[in-house]
Amino acid sequence: SYVLTQPPSVSVAPGQTVRMTCGGSTIRSRSVHWYQQKPGQAPVLVVYDDSDRPSGIPERFSGSSSGNTATLTITRVEAGDEADYYCQVWDSGSDYPSMIFGGGTKLTVL
Amino acid sequence: QVQLVESGGRVVQPGRSLRLSCAASGFTFDNYAMHWVRQAPGKGLEWVSIIWYDGNNKYYADSVKGRFTISRDNSKNTLSLQMNSLRADDTAVYFCARETTSGSGTYYNGWYYYGLDVWGQGTTVTVSS
Repeated sequence: SYVLTQPPSVSVAPGQTVRMTCGGSTIRSRSVHWYQQKPGQAPVLVVYDDSDRPSGIPERFSGSSSGNTATLTITRVEAGDEADYYCQVWDSGSDYPSMIFGGGTKLTVL
Repeated sequence: QVQLVESGGRVVQPGRSLRLSCAASGFTFDNYAMHWVRQAPGKGLEWVSIIWYDGNNKYYADSVKGRFTISRDNSKNTLSLQMNSLRADDTAVYFCARETTSGSGTYYNGWYYYGLDVWGQGTTVTVSS
């Protein structure tokens, strides 16, 4: 089945820019969605279809995809951005579609 | 406001059954596909199941296929997950979630699939003797 690979952790200082990657074979051919999950809370969709933002999500959050890697970028990082971030795609490796999540990246704001 | 509220989670012995429910409000429930996603303690997100807006198609993760059944009652705006033959590795927080219809989506076999734009707060299932 399809596998999405995310680095377990990344850290950044407040005000800086952080880029989190999501690797998968020919991921560029799939729509990639990104979720933010803070401790004890439900996930929140922050980017859909590689680079679109749902209403209410700050412009500081952006996404891109190229080749085998999708990237979530957060600019002007704030303490409140500290969370786990998951990428997600759909796969049809078997006879029917299944939703695939990456293992998640824990963002630490220093 | 748009809201999903799960219920039914509790401690249950291995091999037993449990039924989870998710009450939807604030949107036209029968316009959306719905999902169950779970998260084991300290672990990442794992997709469990999807049911189409009209209930006519249902798909499952391999880890729960044959044991779990997803269903919906559009007249009551309710999503359910019947879990049978529970195992210790089913221990998790179970989230219900709405599949958005925004964007271009991913096309498979005559249908488009999207991300999840509304989530409930989750209900905890613990399988332990």
